[in-house]
Amino acid sequence: NAGVMQNPRHLVRRRGQEARLRCSPMKGHSHVYWYRQLPEEGLKFMVYLQKENIIDESGMPKERFSAEFPKEGPSILRIQQVVRGDSAAYFCASSPGGPNTEAFFGQGTRLTVV
Amino acid sequence: QQPVQSPQAVILREGEDAVINCSSSKALYSVHWYRQKHGEAPVFLMILLKGGEQKGHEKISASFNEKKQQSSLYLTASQLSYSGTYFCGTGADGLTFGKGTHLIIQP
Repeated sequence: NAGVMQNPRHLVRRRGQEARLRCSPMKGHSHVYWYRQLPEEGLKFMVYLQKENIIDESGMPKERFSAEFPKEGPSILRIQQVVRGDSAAYFCASSPGGPNTEAFFGQGTRLTVV
Repeated sequence: QQPVQSPQAVILREGEDAVINCSSSKALYSVHWYRQKHGEAPVFLMILLKGGEQKGHEKISASFNEKKQQSSLYLTASQLSYSGTYFCGTGADGLTFGKGTHLIIQP
């Protein structure tokens, strides 16, 4: 059973471009969470999705950021018109049930905006 | 509200014990513990769901005092592999994590 797969592992974007981060949850997991981590800091919750639905997006910036988890295919975190402050590691986690079940993290996507 | 972890960092020699604390100003219904090594993904350790619950995982165990809104992680007879940053997470949907406790184990 493959773990949570994120790609790309590293992504470099120029200011103003779009970044698309993909997350394939573990087999059988229908709950996906996205987190952002800055160097030497903790993980900051962004959004919680369950197949085709956004359950909680309280941690998502109101502009430029969006997330989806379609019926088929990976979950996508999309950042439009990236700025230098978007540079961070973005982690995705998945769980088989709701938030009170163990969540497994992917290896993360390190986004660098130049 | 972000849970508060203490200490921020601790250095131990192999074989020594450590306690990491996590407290919240809000009511806690569950506490999740993760360990992250530098440049790697966080790894799940355990969830505590009930007040007063204690769980164990190899030589790592944890307690959860719902009344005091606190959880503690206990590392017994620490091994070099225990080095890393430990995070506690709380919350109803997505987790709000503390800032982490850096644990360094020296031979």
